[in-house]
Amino acid sequence: DAGITQSPRHKVTETGTPVTLRCHQTENHRYMYWYRQDPGHGLRLIHYSYGVKDTDKGEVSDGYSVSRSKTEDFLLTLESATSSQTSVYFCAISESKGLAGETQYFGPGTRLLVL
Amino acid sequence: GNSVTQMEGPVTLSEEAFLTINCTYTATGYPSLFWYVQYPGEGLQLLLKATKADDKGSNKGFEATYRKETTSFHLEKGSVQVSDSAVYFCALTNAGNNRKLIWGLGTSLAVNP
Repeated sequence: DAGITQSPRHKVTETGTPVTLRCHQTENHRYMYWYRQDPGHGLRLIHYSYGVKDTDKGEVSDGYSVSRSKTEDFLLTLESATSSQTSVYFCAISESKGLAGETQYFGPGTRLLVL
Repeated sequence: GNSVTQMEGPVTLSEEAFLTINCTYTATGYPSLFWYVQYPGEGLQLLLKATKADDKGSNKGFEATYRKETTSFHLEKGSVQVSDSAVYFCALTNAGNNRKLIWGLGTSLAVNP
């Protein structure tokens, strides 16, 4: 267990409203990631962070922004939610352990429905 | 570039059957390879990993061997149980990539009693 929590776990919102999802970790990991998971597409990277205030785009970043003002929190914002952003959102951290290399561990996910 | 290809599902097996889920990859250098599992309604859990050629990852009766000569990391289990019903994802990460994972699309497994 890498101490990752996501909030909210479920969210229903309306088209055009802003939505912020929170990922919180307790183990001081530098790297954090936001994914979305949709049927037929597997997991797609939205944004990631490699340190406080250091973020970069993933493969499906349009319509999303992120912020990381402190190590433990990585926020994902849908600036103006659309129905195409209905999805399950997962946060992950990357842990590095010497010769064992790097491994990503995932939070429990947030189910977002945009009406 | 880097990519991962998994066999398409769904895979349906009877309990105690032998399982193979194929995974092949394209990557430069020496990637690390992973299998993640997602049980219904849950998040993703690391199942096993291998970081160099000929390494065998194993966990919960599942095994996968990192075969550089065939660029493969096939997942196997000798005797599946109903509780193994889940979606299985193969993934890789490569050096200098900000630790990003490249994912396969997942293979759904259903095990019938």
